[in-house]
Amino acid sequence: NAGVTQTPKFQVLKTGQSMTLQCAQDMNHNSMYWYRQDPGMGLRLIYYSASEGTTDKGEVPNGYNVSRLNKREFSLRLESAAPSQTSVYFCASSGNQGAKKTETQYFGPGTRLLVL
Amino acid sequence: GESVGLHLPTLSVQEGDNSIINCAYSNSASDYFIWYKQESGKGPQFIIDIRSNMDKRQGQRVTVLLNKTVKHLSLQIAATQPGDSAVYFCAESYNYGQNFVFGPGTRLSVLP
Repeated sequence: NAGVTQTPKFQVLKTGQSMTLQCAQDMNHNSMYWYRQDPGMGLRLIYYSASEGTTDKGEVPNGYNVSRLNKREFSLRLESAAPSQTSVYFCASSGNQGAKKTETQYFGPGTRLLVL
Repeated sequence: GESVGLHLPTLSVQEGDNSIINCAYSNSASDYFIWYKQESGKGPQFIIDIRSNMDKRQGQRVTVLLNKTVKHLSLQIAATQPGDSAVYFCAESYNYGQNFVFGPGTRLSVLP
């Protein structure tokens, strides 16, 4: 199993450009999450999806949109990038592991985004 | 709102010594806690978790202690190795994992 994968690994955007960050998990988890990580701060939740077909705002949703495409995939879109969105973005998933329900979140490797 | 913080932003220990990383949390309703390890350029990696109905849980070379009275969480690493050098995060949840609050992290440096 690959776990949680994210693409791209790195991206540079100009202010106002748009892009979509992709995330996929192969653990059959129900829940998926998008976080941003900034220097000196903990991970902050942008959006999450408790199950396929549902999405909810987290702590810092402004400037972002998400799509839970199917059970495996959860994408994050920046419609008009701003320098304040320069960050490292992590996707995570959680859910059942076999017959056992677990709340533990498993993270992808991250996408490093620079907005000029 | 809820917050999770760390007493020490950096910790340096000698190889072979035991490490203790501390975390304070503010939400007395939190019922699930996780410690993550994050190496440079990588995503957080699960280390160990503990539920609020427990005081202590042990893994391989790691122990998590939970003191609900003072809302304190600690991670103990036995016989610290160079590969343990990383940033360690604690996280708390009060809704079965749907809402985690993460601390800013403590950087652990293992000295030869």
